[in-house]
Amino acid sequence: EDKVVQSPLSLVVHEGDTVTLNCSYEVTNFRSLLWYKQEKKAPTFLFMLTSSGIEKKSGRLSSILDKKELFSILNITATQTGDSAVYLCAGGDVQGGKLIFGQGTELSVKP
Amino acid sequence: EPEVTQTPSHQVTQMGQEVILRCVPISNHLYFYWYRQILGQKVEFLVSFYNNEISEKSEIFDDQFSVERPDGSNFTLKIRSTKLEDSAMYFCASRGLPIRDSSYEQYFGPGTRLTVT
Repeated sequence: EDKVVQSPLSLVVHEGDTVTLNCSYEVTNFRSLLWYKQEKKAPTFLFMLTSSGIEKKSGRLSSILDKKELFSILNITATQTGDSAVYLCAGGDVQGGKLIFGQGTELSVKP
Repeated sequence: EPEVTQTPSHQVTQMGQEVILRCVPISNHLYFYWYRQILGQKVEFLVSFYNNEISEKSEIFDDQFSVERPDGSNFTLKIRSTKLEDSAMYFCASRGLPIRDSSYEQYFGPGTRLTVT
């Protein structure tokens, strides 16, 4: 059965800290690993990773995929209170493209 | 910037009633999806739709559910006879034709919160 597991489930940090969120996956016909940020409602797209070892960056956020170990991490440096959200990791399959989501990591950034 | 839209934002219905949730995907996208998220739980895949037919569906997507693209812009999810356990946030998502890597990115709508009483 396909599954995606994220850790930790929740995290409380102070502004300025650096955090690393983890995602492991087992997805049949794996094509891509996607990260989303969910604040109140819809998941907002952050990154999509398809190749091992190539870091993707957007401002203070970065992510990398390890297809051998079936693992991805999302790093956030110099955290701000606006980074407080649930971060979702999802594995996408190659055929129809359905996404299998993890349970999310709830990040709380205190001032 | 193009976005996926959904209506209504909140729907309250009685058990046994039919509901239709509506979505307008991003205009040049060709793959459409419905997901749901029960409060406090994971986002779960329901169904994918391409070229006017279902391409894949999950075990959750039983005979009570159906999808339709009635015109060139709308994509609907119908639940024929709602149950209490159908209460959830329902997300529509879309993506483009997979001709390059970025086409696999799925973009989500704001969701419809369905409450079945």
